[in-house]
Amino acid sequence: DAKTTQPPSMDCAEGRAANLPCNHSTISGNEYVYWYRQIHSQGPQYIIHGLKNNETNEMASLIITEDRKSSTLILPHATLRDTAVYYCIVRVRKPGNQFYFGTGTSLTVIP
Amino acid sequence: EPEVTQTPSHQVTQMGQEVILRCVPISNHLYFYWYRQILGQKVEFLVSFYNNEISEKSEIFDDQFSVERPDGSNFTLKIRSTKLEDSAMYFCASIWEADTQYFGPGTRLTVL
Repeated sequence: DAKTTQPPSMDCAEGRAANLPCNHSTISGNEYVYWYRQIHSQGPQYIIHGLKNNETNEMASLIITEDRKSSTLILPHATLRDTAVYYCIVRVRKPGNQFYFGTGTSLTVIP
Repeated sequence: EPEVTQTPSHQVTQMGQEVILRCVPISNHLYFYWYRQILGQKVEFLVSFYNNEISEKSEIFDDQFSVERPDGSNFTLKIRSTKLEDSAMYFCASIWEADTQYFGPGTRLTVL
């Protein structure tokens, strides 16, 4: 089962940074934090992942606390197209491993 | 950028009929997956496939389900005798970089 806790919903003003929190207090040392999103009923879309260092790519930044018990996904300038359900997933980084999707956070970007 | 593709986008079938959902993973990917999402519910893992055999499957993936990689490009999910509760979005995924799974757009299966 999903080992993460996320708020069920959040709003963000267009153009502002969206900060999506995730708690994973039971994370193991070899488990990575992954973020995916799902826009409407489309296939989940990979955003970013990390182990313990902060990560940034063209889509978002991932901030992981020093104790690794929580993390925050940051969308620096949210647009209407970022309205989606965001999933925080922890898993061992092994090719055959499945992803356990929880209920995620439904982010609504408001004009 | 390479993509996972799935066909058909929407499949309507009668209860008890067999359906085959098709996926074309990204070329050179090695691991392939099927997930499903019943309307309004979570994305659920069904099965993973590597080196022409199932590597992991969930409780959902019972004898009514089977997977196959009939040629070098396609990856299929067969449901032998569909039930009403099989109505869902079915997503195929494959691994590209490291082990990050990339998902297809899904097939909506409606069982009447």
